[in-house]
Amino acid sequence: NAGVTQTPKFQVLKTGQSMTLQCAQDMNHNSMYWYRQDPGMGLRLIYYSASEGTTDKGEVPNGYNVSRLNKREFSLRLESAAPSQTSVYFCAVFYKDRDYGYTFGSGTRLTVV
Amino acid sequence: AQTVTQSQPEMSVQEAETVTLSCTYDTSESNYYLFWYKQPPSRQMILVIRQEAYKQQNATENRFSVNFQKAAKSFSLKISDSQLGDTAMYFCAFSTSGTYKYIFGTGTRLKVLA
Repeated sequence: NAGVTQTPKFQVLKTGQSMTLQCAQDMNHNSMYWYRQDPGMGLRLIYYSASEGTTDKGEVPNGYNVSRLNKREFSLRLESAAPSQTSVYFCAVFYKDRDYGYTFGSGTRLTVV
Repeated sequence: AQTVTQSQPEMSVQEAETVTLSCTYDTSESNYYLFWYKQPPSRQMILVIRQEAYKQQNATENRFSVNFQKAAKSFSLKISDSQLGDTAMYFCAFSTSGTYKYIFGTGTRLKVLA
């Protein structure tokens, strides 16, 4: 998606493996978010970052860590993947100028076996 | 706690007809934002329409319009002249200013029939 790049697009992990989902923006906005999407549950907030160097828990943070080392990048780490973390993960950036709202990345489909 | 409810898991509509997707929300805030997002099979999240709570006038974007009833906490989406390309999952979302965290509904899967 224009402005927000997520990698990878697909990933299969074995239970107990670790991985980091990457998110980078070229929009120069402060607020970034990680959501997970599960069937029948909509999108739920995992973590967010209001500005560089700050992070806060969302609705479902257990089993995840995040890092906001600079304004552009906001990464999501699974230290020890579990089958319950099988989901589609979205990164989003909030913009507010003449218009407002989220720009989403294209998503990562993660399967933990 | 703030919640968003979409009570229609699935809907279908004939091409060229009009369909309305419902969304209700619960909040004690007075200033907030409401959104409808479309997610086609490509998985991409696409903004359809947005509304600020302080604006009484209902938002419109081409064939898409909303019926925003603040007192009833209702935010329905009307799609006119439905097209095959409108087939998608539709999510209603709520946000307050400050953190701009979104709360999403569980979605309505819309199928447009030829």
